[in-house]
Amino acid sequence: AQSVTQPDIHITVSEGASLELRCNYSYGATPYLFWYVQSPGQGLQLLLKYFSGDTLVQGIKGFEAEFKRSQSSFNLRKPSVHWSDAAEYFCAVSRGGADGLTFGKGTHLIIQP
Amino acid sequence: SAVISQKPSRDICQRGTSLTIQCQVDSQVTMMFWYRQQPGQSLTLIATANQGSEATYESGFVIDKFPISRPNLTFSTLTVSNMSPEDSSIYLCSVGGTGDTQYFGPGTRLTVL
Repeated sequence: AQSVTQPDIHITVSEGASLELRCNYSYGATPYLFWYVQSPGQGLQLLLKYFSGDTLVQGIKGFEAEFKRSQSSFNLRKPSVHWSDAAEYFCAVSRGGADGLTFGKGTHLIIQP
Repeated sequence: SAVISQKPSRDICQRGTSLTIQCQVDSQVTMMFWYRQQPGQSLTLIATANQGSEATYESGFVIDKFPISRPNLTFSTLTVSNMSPEDSSIYLCSVGGTGDTQYFGPGTRLTVL
């Protein structure tokens, strides 16, 4: 069965600093990988996704993620965070098609002024 | 991406009762899914709502507890039956979009007393 590990439950970053959120997955083949963000009281918004091709993918709000097959990782990055980035971030994996998503436990991002 | 709405947005229910949550999409979609997010937790897939046939449930979820209907390609309902306080969660529907991407509704926040 596929699984997703987000090793950092909480991360605190100063506004304007760079950010990297870690995600490791376990899956037998090349998975479909996603990052979602959930702001307080809100639903889930898709930040970016990776299916194939270029391993560095660009998303919305200035986020990017890099797929590294050798490390089974799909880390999310942003060069300069804004206070509005404070939220819960979820990494997810699927096999595509009719398959549902398997989520990691999430990383709570706190932005310090 | 599709516009997804859920009703109700929140509810407070007494134990032993049932609640039906509606999910409406503004365009026809093949795949619809239901997820549960328990307080402070990640999302867990409950089932895939199949149009014209029974839903496909994940391990740990059963039809008697979470009956699902999918009468057409734009609508689905999830019923939480015989509720207990442990059912207090956010319930989210999602739809499969282009490129096997899933988009989420705003969620239904359920509190069971």
